[in-house]
Amino acid sequence: AQSVAQPEDQVNVAEGNPLTVKCTYSVSGNPYLFWYVQYPNRGLQFLLKYITGDNLVKGSYGFEAEFNKSQTSFHLKKPSALVSDSALYFCAVRDQGNQGGKLIFGQGTELSVKP
Amino acid sequence: DGGITQSPKYLFRKEGQNVTLSCEQNLNHDAMYWYRQDPGQGLRLIYYSQIVNDFQKGDIAEGYSVSREKKESFPLTVTSAQKNPTAFYLCASSIGQRQGYYEQYFGPGTRLTVT
Repeated sequence: AQSVAQPEDQVNVAEGNPLTVKCTYSVSGNPYLFWYVQYPNRGLQFLLKYITGDNLVKGSYGFEAEFNKSQTSFHLKKPSALVSDSALYFCAVRDQGNQGGKLIFGQGTELSVKP
Repeated sequence: DGGITQSPKYLFRKEGQNVTLSCEQNLNHDAMYWYRQDPGQGLRLIYYSQIVNDFQKGDIAEGYSVSREKKESFPLTVTSAQKNPTAFYLCASSIGQRQGYYEQYFGPGTRLTVT
């Protein structure tokens, strides 16, 4: 069965410091991996995806993520956090062979960036 | 949120009443999805549709129904059989099977409160 784990419910960082939001996954085949961000009472916004190719993918708002097949991880990173990055972040995975395009979402990680 | 509209943003209903949530997209996407979001539980898939006039149950379809009569529209009805309908409902769409599905784009959500 497919699954996604975001081991931290909350991550706290100071503005200007690097941030990492962790994600590990389990699929039977090759994974498609995604990161989304959600601001309060809003829908999810797509940040970035890994489909194939370079393990380091860059996305919106200066975020990037590194696909690590051996560790089955896809951690979200940003070199310098902004207060405006404070939001709820979701990792999602799909097995390449999955019909219907269904994504499995993690529980979410609340990121808090303090000035 | 661009390209997908959900209405209304807030919806209040009495227990025992059916209620229909609207979802419209102008992205020319074949696939559409409905999710339910509860605090601390991430997103759970209710129904999805890969193409017009076709839809499949997701992980928590009991007490819900959908239709897909037009490519642009995928309304969700929350019936009186749904035991705990109060939640934040999110609609999403993506390119279809021929193009590989990839990322989903989300609407702004509808917060349903049933008392």
